[in-house]
Amino acid sequence: DVKVTQSSRYLVKRTGEKVFLECVQDMDHENMFWYRQDPGLGLRLIYFSYDVKMKEKGDIPEGYSVSREKKERFSLILESASTNQTSMYLCASSSLERGGRVEQYFGPGTRLTVT
Amino acid sequence: DQQVKQNSPSLSVQEGRISILNCDYTNSMFDYFLWYKKYPAEGPTFLISISSIKDKNEDGRFTVFLNKSAKHLSLHIVPSQPGDSAVYFCAASRNTGNQFYFGTGTSLTVIP
Repeated sequence: DVKVTQSSRYLVKRTGEKVFLECVQDMDHENMFWYRQDPGLGLRLIYFSYDVKMKEKGDIPEGYSVSREKKERFSLILESASTNQTSMYLCASSSLERGGRVEQYFGPGTRLTVT
Repeated sequence: DQQVKQNSPSLSVQEGRISILNCDYTNSMFDYFLWYKKYPAEGPTFLISISSIKDKNEDGRFTVFLNKSAKHLSLHIVPSQPGDSAVYFCAASRNTGNQFYFGTGTSLTVIP
């Protein structure tokens, strides 16, 4: 079974703090993603990475950065947390399988509250 | 611009009946479609997928139908069970595996 794990399920931080969210996958997937989920807005892509040290901006990258030093690990960094970054953060990984089948699997999520 | 849309934010169905969740997309270049189920405070769980070369894929109680000409897909759950109560997201991808576009979700409630 694919496993995507996230470092924390719940996190409370103060405005202005630097926040690190870690994600690890064990299926040797090339692609990794960070999304945030907010009520009524669905899943919005923050950043994704298709290889080590490679990253691409998603729909809402402002206020975030990412790091992928190893294939299995993808980190999301909030440089200076703000209250509008209170959200559920979801990490995912994906691969393109033989025959064109696409698979994407999610971690359990981190509920971040910024006060 | 939302390329994948789920126009029904919520749906209620009696236990044992069919649940039909709908999804529309705008980009004809999408060639892979996925459905996810999400419980509160958990990550989405992959449910079923379909390639654009097919019009139907079935897995147990779950069937996904794809109508490419209408740019529409639907997820049928038969029979619906109370444990199916969750938010369902549809997603579309180009056949690269590194770009996914999600709908805003439909909250399904199955009434016992």
